Amino acid sequence: GQSLEQPSEVTAVEGAIVQINCTYQTSGFYGLSWYQQHDGGAPTFLSYNALDGLEETGRFSSFLSRSDSYGYLLLQELQMKDSASYFCAVKAAGNKLTFGGGTRVLVKP
Amino acid sequence: DTEVTQTPKHLVMGMTNKKSLKCEQHMGHRAMYWYKQKAKKPPELMFVYSYEKLSINESVPSRFSPECPNSSLLNLHLHALQPEDSALYLCASSQDGSGSSYNEQFFGPGTRLTVL
Repeated sequence: GQSLEQPSEVTAVEGAIVQINCTYQTSGFYGLSWYQQHDGGAPTFLSYNALDGLEETGRFSSFLSRSDSYGYLLLQELQMKDSASYFCAVKAAGNKLTFGGGTRVLVKP
Repeated sequence: DTEVTQTPKHLVMGMTNKKSLKCEQHMGHRAMYWYKQKAKKPPELMFVYSYEKLSINESVPSRFSPECPNSSLLNLHLHALQPEDSALYLCASSQDGSGSSYNEQFFGPGTRLTVL
């Protein structure tokens, strides 16, 4: 089976940097993806790491270390609109995604 | 068109009712998914269809019955549900449902289901 751990909540001010860590235990790992979900909204894709290293997409970056079964999402130059829940998800065969419990990010002025 | 649509947005049903949730995408995706999401919890995978064939069933009770009439449509038929089945039901699609390359999943807005 799969299990993923991420912090439940993070609070930061506008302009700050937030790092959301995700550790996983899995059988059959293809990669780690990150999704954002605003209250009342649908999850939207942010990034995917299949190989070790850092992937940068604008203000958001994602990192993976397969040997440590660890990844993180880095949110830079935080904006109020970044207040949302962020989920890491392990991809297994058949494009099956198993989500972590989610990290609620609250951005304060 | 990069959108997944779901109808209805909200549904209230009794435990003896039969209802259906519908999902549609016109992105040419060949994999479609049903997830269940409870409040403040992550989405949980229920079913995966790949090329219109059921490829994954995550031991979902038989009161939930999926159907994929064609590559653009996905239905979830509901019968004799329990109050604990109340949740947000999300549909998603991706280019493909197999292989090691990543296929981003596009989610619909969901149907909020209440079972009385």
